[in-house]
Amino acid sequence: ERVMTQSPDTLSVSPGDRATLSCRASQSVSSGLAWYQQKPGRAPRLLIYSVSTRATGIPARFSGSGSGTEFTLTISSLQSEDFAIYYCQQYDNWPLTFGQGTRLEIK
Amino acid sequence: QVQLQESGPGLVKPSETLSLTCTVSGGSISPSYWSWFRQPAGKGLEWIGRIDPPGDTVYNPSLKSRLTMSKEPSKNQISLKLTSVTAADTAVYYCARETEVPGQRWFDYWGHGTLVTVSS
Repeated sequence: ERVMTQSPDTLSVSPGDRATLSCRASQSVSSGLAWYQQKPGRAPRLLIYSVSTRATGIPARFSGSGSGTEFTLTISSLQSEDFAIYYCQQYDNWPLTFGQGTRLEIK
Repeated sequence: QVQLQESGPGLVKPSETLSLTCTVSGGSISPSYWSWFRQPAGKGLEWIGRIDPPGDTVYNPSLKSRLTMSKEPSKNQISLKLTSVTAADTAVYYCARETEVPGQRWFDYWGHGTLVTVSS
């Protein structure tokens, strides 16, 4: 099983600033990495797939990068609606696994 | 627009079977891959299992011995059964559609989720 570890657990950022979230895999997941955003009481929302491809309707301020075992989600200029929990998910191997999440909060 | 709606009992007794249904609208379930996930309160997401167009399944090894997934094309529904539940199975359960891009396993459509509590 690929264990996914996100850091930090909580990130405090001011609106308008940049946020950088990290995701590390216990073994290579190649390019099989997606990012989701989740707000309280809501289902996850797909942001990024294949490491760096934005899903339909996702603003350009969201970007993904990385390869192998190290991945990053960057939000270039935080808007109020971006404060949420973010999860990475690997889909290179069964079982599909998620990181524990990074909570992005307003500073 | 594809929409998914989970349904089932909100309360299940320990040792009994948890049964959930995911009803899909806006498209046929037949050509797509469908997964179940769960999320305990305040915790992260866990993938439970997947069912493919022919009805073949892949399960999370941690749940495999207790899990059955199936589908009913005539009702456009996906089902999940988890036996011998304990309090550790208390969670919000989600169904989701896997992308239609072959060989890729991210999830573009999700249900709203349904809370299942295991308690006597």
